[in-house]
Amino acid sequence: QKEVEQDPGPLSVPEGAIVSLNCTYSNSAFQYFMWYRQYSRKGPELLMYTYSSGNKEDGRFTAQVDKSSKYISLFIRDSQPSDSATYLCAMSVTGETSGSRLTFGEGTQLTVNP
Amino acid sequence: GAGVSQSPSNKVTEKGKDVELRCDPISGHTALYWYRQSLGQGLEFLIYFQGNSAPDKSGLPSDRFSAERTGGSVSTLTIQRTQQEDSAVYLCASSLVGYYEQYFGPGTRLTVT
Repeated sequence: QKEVEQDPGPLSVPEGAIVSLNCTYSNSAFQYFMWYRQYSRKGPELLMYTYSSGNKEDGRFTAQVDKSSKYISLFIRDSQPSDSATYLCAMSVTGETSGSRLTFGEGTQLTVNP
Repeated sequence: GAGVSQSPSNKVTEKGKDVELRCDPISGHTALYWYRQSLGQGLEFLIYFQGNSAPDKSGLPSDRFSAERTGGSVSTLTIQRTQQEDSAVYLCASSLVGYYEQYFGPGTRLTVT
């Protein structure tokens, strides 16, 4: 069983829709939770970062972490065609020898149709 | 400023050949990571370098894989006797120590025929 599970999709929505992306994890030692966005043939770029349980909002994006359920979510409001990309959840346990090595979900491919 | 750069962007090699992949991190970033992205597997951690400390090699899949970082900057990932299952995108990332944000390069797409 993978440490981080993420539905790979693909997910297709009309422009303006609310998108919900989710990951579950099994390692209770994870402390930091991130969402990366990856466009085709590009490296991932950090979108959202959270440390504790709760919500964090940044413009049209909201990240939620529920440590008791080992479940994280990313919501995209008023989705745009430019949001079409693969969204990767990532988690880390910061350690002296391992730095902040990230454990990723498989990624969800999102298409927003005009 | 300049981001993380990787070369080559694409590499096609025959099974059994050795390959070298290069990563130039962001200037001043002392932490450097290599990951592998395979279809259906997502991104997998390979190796971590921090300054002059011994690297964390716990993610390397076999002894055919090795990496070095010279002068605390440029890193090279070497795959010996390549196999078809090594076909993937190899991504490099760098960060400041103690910071959570890792900056990724565009990756090297390796195809083993």
